[in-house]
This record gives sequence, C-alpha cells and structure tokens, in this order.
Amino acid sequence: QQQVKQSPQSLIVQKGGISIINCAYENTAFDYFPWYQQFPGKGPALLIAIRPDVSEKKEGRFTISFNKSAKQFSLHIMDSQPGDSATYFCAASSGGSYIPTFGRGTSLIVHP
Amino acid sequence: GAGVSQSPSNKVTEKGKDVELRCDPISGHTALYWYRQSLGQGLEFLIYFQGNSAPDKSGLPSDRFSAERTGGSVSTLTIQRTQQEDSAVYLCASSLLGSTSGNTIYFGEGSWLTVV
Repeated sequence: QQQVKQSPQSLIVQKGGISIINCAYENTAFDYFPWYQQFPGKGPALLIAIRPDVSEKKEGRFTISFNKSAKQFSLHIMDSQPGDSATYFCAASSGGSYIPTFGRGTSLIVHP
Repeated sequence: GAGVSQSPSNKVTEKGKDVELRCDPISGHTALYWYRQSLGQGLEFLIYFQGNSAPDKSGLPSDRFSAERTGGSVSTLTIQRTQQEDSAVYLCASSLLGSTSGNTIYFGEGSWLTVV
C-alpha cells in the first residue's frame, strides 16, 4: 500500500487554541481524503473529507486544507475543546483502490 | 441495523485457543473490511470483501488468520492458536460500494481481544 505520513504523533493544546494535524501522501491517483475521529473504546468515525478539486473545506470548527502540488493536506480544529480530545486519522483513497490508506494517527489532548 | 455490529465486544482467551469474531455490516453495504488496532497504534488492514469477488487477503499477518463472509452479509474473522501478540482491537467496517473514493467507511466499535 502507498504510504500516508501523518504528524505529529501526539498533540497537546489548551482549550480555545488551534490544533493542526498534517498528512502527506505519495500516490497522485488519490482523489478522496477523509479524516476520521476515534474516541477511546469506539471505532473511528468520519469527521470531514475533501476532494482535490478544492483547496479548503470547512465544517463548523473543523477545516481541511489541501495542497495538491505539495501532496499534503491538514486538519485544523479551531477553538479546540476538551471534547475534541481523541485520536485523529487521515486517510486517502482513489477510485481504483478499494482499501483506504490510513495515517498512523494523532492523539490529541485538549486541556481545559 | 443502524450501524456495524461486532461481537463479542470483549474476549479473553488462553494462548493456543481459537477465537471467532463476528461482524454484521450495515444493511445493503457491499464492501466489508477487517482492521486490527494494537494499543495506541494505527489501523492495520487485514482483509477486504466486495460482493461475490474473491476477498483481498493481503493484510492477513499469518495463516492462523482467516475470514469468511456468508451470503454477502455477516463476516467471521477466525484466529487459530492465538498468541499474545494477537491481543488487539479488531475493527470491522463496511461501505456501500467497493470503491472507497467518495464513499464513507463505517466502523464498528471493535472486538477487544486479550490473549493470556
């Protein structure tokens, strides 16, 4: 499988701050980039996703920024809240690849 | 059901025993995936089923691992002669179509396996 490199591995942010998680990919055939959020004891759940025809997608406090030329995309969490504390996984897939490639995950802790 | 259902939610087994983990995907979803997540680690792909096609078993770590999907719906992951390194959360997921492009993958809550 092609790699998706995710960083940082862990992140600690104060309440109200901005959390930023970055991912980089290699396969230029990837055309769908979802982010999943996983709370302890639960399975990952889709948070937000983007296609490469747009450079940014925003849903509430969550924004994906996409840089096609650099083959990078990032998740920004504005006004981070303690309830955002979770593990976040980026992923990438293409129409010809039925198995999404996941990053290794980022453990986010938001301190009150 | 409304979501992907997995059972058992927790399983403690003795080293050397066989275990079966069950997954009931979302009704109508044609694609089914098994992943393994070790403590604090990422998502390790194990196997993929799509309709009546031959499964993609490329992620299975050894021949002690096998999976089947009956009637295009329920799937069972079997681990034979369990080892301590098999201890992990086994996550099942399903999606509506085989292509993941633009399709959301829905995960179950996982089966927590502990081998003692």
